[in-house]
Amino acid sequence: DGGITQSPKYLFRKEGQNVTLSCEQNLNHDAMYWYRQDPGQGLRLIYYSQIVNDFQKGDIAEGYSVSREKKESFPLTVTSAQKNPTAFYLCASSVTGGDEKLFFGSGTQLSVL
Amino acid sequence: DAKTTQPNSMESNEEEPVHLPCNHSTISGTDYIHWYRQLPSQGPEYVIHGLTSNVNNRMASLAIAEDRKSSTLILHRATLRDAAVYYCILRDARYNNNDMRFGAGTRLTVKP
Repeated sequence: DGGITQSPKYLFRKEGQNVTLSCEQNLNHDAMYWYRQDPGQGLRLIYYSQIVNDFQKGDIAEGYSVSREKKESFPLTVTSAQKNPTAFYLCASSVTGGDEKLFFGSGTQLSVL
Repeated sequence: DAKTTQPNSMESNEEEPVHLPCNHSTISGTDYIHWYRQLPSQGPEYVIHGLTSNVNNRMASLAIAEDRKSSTLILHRATLRDAAVYYCILRDARYNNNDMRFGAGTRLTVKP
């Protein structure tokens, strides 16, 4: 089945630790996105990538890093510089173009120990 | 800055129609209007999108104002499963402009 997979579903981070959230898609989509969602709030764009080996900062990129070495993978690292990382993280992908819809993963809940 | 404006919350009775408004006064000629909805603890799912003409699909209808500065998502008969947060966003058709920014959305409550 085609789709977008995020792992793990739940993740715990110790203070000062970097953690990496996985996002994989087998939809052959060029564009991939990472969003952060705090309780009761909307989605905020962290990073997005339109093509392999290229990515752009969103509105809240500080304390996060990404890579796009393969078309199907777009991992997000939450670094120790992100002082308030507890949130629900969503990955999405799409074909590029305004007439194309986004497909979302089921999300990763990150909490701080 | 958010490109769209939606009411924070709306209520509806089950089996009645629901009209969810969205204002996008700064829309450009290359922007498509997309709607997504998010159930609790899940990722958003696509509902409908359009450019200039009204659109219908099995989930909903999208009515777009003639000047394209506003649109309305129409759920013809709300069910309890339609209770969700609904997001209206603009997506630029140009290849090099693919940032997809969501606002806070409208939380729809459906009463039995």
